Amino acid sequence: NAGVTQTPKFRVLKTGQSMTLLCAQDMNHEYMYWYRQDPGMGLRLIHYSVGEGTTAKGEVPDGYNVSRLKKQNFLLGLESAAPSQTSVYFCASSETAGFKKLFFGSGTQLSVL
Amino acid sequence: AQTVTQSQPEMSVQEAETVTLSCTYDTSESDYYLFWYKQPPSRQMILVIRQEAYKQQNATENRFSVNFQKAAKSFSLKISDSQLGDAAMYFCAYRSIPNQGGSEKLVFGKGTKLTVNP
Repeated sequence: NAGVTQTPKFRVLKTGQSMTLLCAQDMNHEYMYWYRQDPGMGLRLIHYSVGEGTTAKGEVPDGYNVSRLKKQNFLLGLESAAPSQTSVYFCASSETAGFKKLFFGSGTQLSVL
Repeated sequence: AQTVTQSQPEMSVQEAETVTLSCTYDTSESDYYLFWYKQPPSRQMILVIRQEAYKQQNATENRFSVNFQKAAKSFSLKISDSQLGDAAMYFCAYRSIPNQGGSEKLVFGKGTKLTVNP
């Protein structure tokens, strides 16, 4: 099992460019999440999905869009990147809600110049 | 909205000693789940231990245990016989139970960086 796979692992963008981060899980999990991690800020939820075709906003959704067209994939899009979006992005998945643990990807380091 | 506070940005411990990391949270919900995750320099997030709020008994996992004080909304992590491999960022997290009307979110604290000195 690969678990949760994020691509790419590193990316450098110029301000105004767009990109999509891909998260893929092979565990048939219903719930998927996108977090960003910044120094001193912990992990903050951007968007999440509780099933195929559904998405919901988290704590810091502005400037990001997501799609969950297939159960195993959760895409995070930046339409017009800004330096404030420089961060490490983590995808996570969970079988269900509640006591089930989250499985995390290894993160994507994004720098916006 | 639920919030999680880790008041110790950094902690250090001598190898083989015991250290306690603090975590407090704010919620109006009566039932929920609490977690501690570890993030070593590899950046991988690893579940350390978890607690169901309706259970009064504190969770334990080998050298890791929690002190869960529901009334005080406190969820501290104790690491016994600290090892060099325990050095990492530790995140406390709160998760609502959706069937109680809470939204499905897992809220993290800002983390505590633990250094283990040989």
